[in-house]
Amino acid sequence: GQQVMQIPQYQHVQEGEDFTTYCNSSTTLSNIQWYKQRPGGHPVFLIQLVKSGEVKKQKRLTFQFGEAKKNSSLHITATQTTDVGTYFCADSGAGSYQLTFGKGTKLSVIP
Amino acid sequence: GAGVSQSPSNKVTEKGKDVELRCDPISGHTALYWYRQSLGQGLEFLIYFQGNSAPDKSGLPSDRFSAERTGGSVSTLTIQRTQQEDSAVYLCASSKQGRQPQHFGDGTRLSIL
Repeated sequence: GQQVMQIPQYQHVQEGEDFTTYCNSSTTLSNIQWYKQRPGGHPVFLIQLVKSGEVKKQKRLTFQFGEAKKNSSLHITATQTTDVGTYFCADSGAGSYQLTFGKGTKLSVIP
Repeated sequence: GAGVSQSPSNKVTEKGKDVELRCDPISGHTALYWYRQSLGQGLEFLIYFQGNSAPDKSGLPSDRFSAERTGGSVSTLTIQRTQQEDSAVYLCASSKQGRQPQHFGDGTRLSIL
């Protein structure tokens, strides 16, 4: 079945530093979704990317979908303590409704 | 409006017992998903319901796991003869249709003694 690899597994940053998490697949991604899960909470939807080369921004967050649709990234500029949590990418694959999640990147922000 | 509601929020039971977990999706959402999340891990897909279509059960780990969705709304995930490895948080999510953003409930934390 489809596999979605996410790196890094953990990231510790000083408040104000930037942060990036990457999502990769050996097969073509079709419907990338990004979620954030705060400690003790449930995943919350952030964004959906479907077009090759697509770039979307939400304030300090920038989401990209690779030209070849084999990778995606989430970049946070000038991290804040409120950014703490685990960021997951997920893809449903062509013709599928099942979301396959990456293992997530756990972000810690040191004040 | 109301989000996805799951009950119970916590369940502690003895090995070998059966458990039922309930999910009440957002009104009007035709797609419903169950996931399992072990401590510090990602989300493992279990089962997907879309309207009145046959569910996608491809993620169920064994025949001890089953789920149903009555009337296209409330869903129940049943685990029979629970084992310690079943301990995890069970998350339910719904979306307007398949492949659209999913809204998650708070989950049921299941602990098998």
